[in-house]
Amino acid sequence: KAGVTQTPRYLIKTRGQQVTLSCSPISGHRSVSWYQQTPGQGLQFLFEYFSETQRNKGNFPGRFSGRQFSNSRSEMNVSTLELGDSALYLCASSGLAGGDTGELFFGEGSRLTVL
Amino acid sequence: GQQLNQSPQSMFIQEGEDVSMNCTSSSIFNTWLWYKQDPGEGPVLLIALYKAGELTSNGRLTAQFGITRKDSFLNISASIPSDVGIYFCAGQLGSNYQLIWGAGTKLIIKP
Repeated sequence: KAGVTQTPRYLIKTRGQQVTLSCSPISGHRSVSWYQQTPGQGLQFLFEYFSETQRNKGNFPGRFSGRQFSNSRSEMNVSTLELGDSALYLCASSGLAGGDTGELFFGEGSRLTVL
Repeated sequence: GQQLNQSPQSMFIQEGEDVSMNCTSSSIFNTWLWYKQDPGEGPVLLIALYKAGELTSNGRLTAQFGITRKDSFLNISASIPSDVGIYFCAGQLGSNYQLIWGAGTKLIIKP
């Protein structure tokens, strides 16, 4: 069974640009969550999508947005990039609505560097 | 907001030693989970706990859901080099609540 796939794995952007990250969940999983991981802040929850609907949202500014498609694939977008957005962005999928069991399957992440 | 206090932040241990880490909170949780993250990878679920007092093992790993439902611990027996990484605890207040994460415990094995 293929795992969670995130693309791209690495990318470099400059301040003010925007970026789109993609996540393909495990086949059959309908919930996708996104996290930002930085060395000093640990794992910070961005948002969760289930059946194309955003179910939960973390405390991030409106520059961070996401969506989920009918095939459960998800994208997140960050506009007007800031230096502080440099981080590892992790996607996790779950077989149920993510809140049901807490058992998440993570991808390897997309490492974003903002210059 | 809700917080989990995970300790220690990092541990330097000798191969073969036992390891213990824990998470505490002022809130009551319905679920406790322990994840491990290897360098360059996403976290992987190690153990999930769903009942207060539950003690669950996964190989050399043992985790317990505290009786008060406000804490959990993870023990690793006879550590080996591949145990290095960052261990995260996560708690869930109830169904449809998002996970709350600890800051992680970085395990380093002394050469």
